[in-house]
Amino acid sequence: DAKTTQPPSMDCAEGRAANLPCNHSTISGNEYVYWYRQIHSQGPQYIIHGLKNNETNEMASLIITEDRKSSTLILPHATLRDTAVYYCIVRAYSGANSKLTFGKGITLSVRP
Amino acid sequence: DVKVTQSSRYLVKRTGEKVFLECVQDMDHENMFWYRQDPGLGLRLIYFSYDVKMKEKGDIPEGYSVSREKKERFSLILESASTNQTSMYLCASSTRQETQYFGPGTRLLVL
Repeated sequence: DAKTTQPPSMDCAEGRAANLPCNHSTISGNEYVYWYRQIHSQGPQYIIHGLKNNETNEMASLIITEDRKSSTLILPHATLRDTAVYYCIVRAYSGANSKLTFGKGITLSVRP
Repeated sequence: DVKVTQSSRYLVKRTGEKVFLECVQDMDHENMFWYRQDPGLGLRLIYFSYDVKMKEKGDIPEGYSVSREKKERFSLILESASTNQTSMYLCASSTRQETQYFGPGTRLLVL
């Protein structure tokens, strides 16, 4: 019951932008969109999150559509070290219960 | 930087053994979580704690217990390890209503 759908995999060339899509058509007004990634055999790494405005940090940009039913994570200049599984998660802040529900994610392969 | 550490990266135990997995965070976070990750099943929440001595069951608590005696430390206990508990175990912490940060994970093999 991950509430998001992502394609299983995609690839991009090193140095190019990687655009990772996510659908969350049943998102509620108080739910945020989170992105994590997991490099093989490591713990998940937080990337970025947003509610309705686009967000940017040193790692990536998050573009959320106006109806909030989908979003895109953008890695502006992908490197080989960005090869990982990327998880899109929706989550409401609900007091003490702030657990994350991970789906299967999208496997990004960056090729030289 | 937030730091979440786990006591072991790799662990091998025998069926029936009692297993302790320790997690420590250094950011004074209120919330701590234990997940397990298995191929094809993603991450599944086992237990979480939102304060010292408080705990809540996650989605798959059977066969596990937890202990939170100090704010910075959250322990996962397998009272009698079984082969179906072979998995990658991930600990995370967060402040209330904030981003979760994960440790490096413990790969547990139960023989």
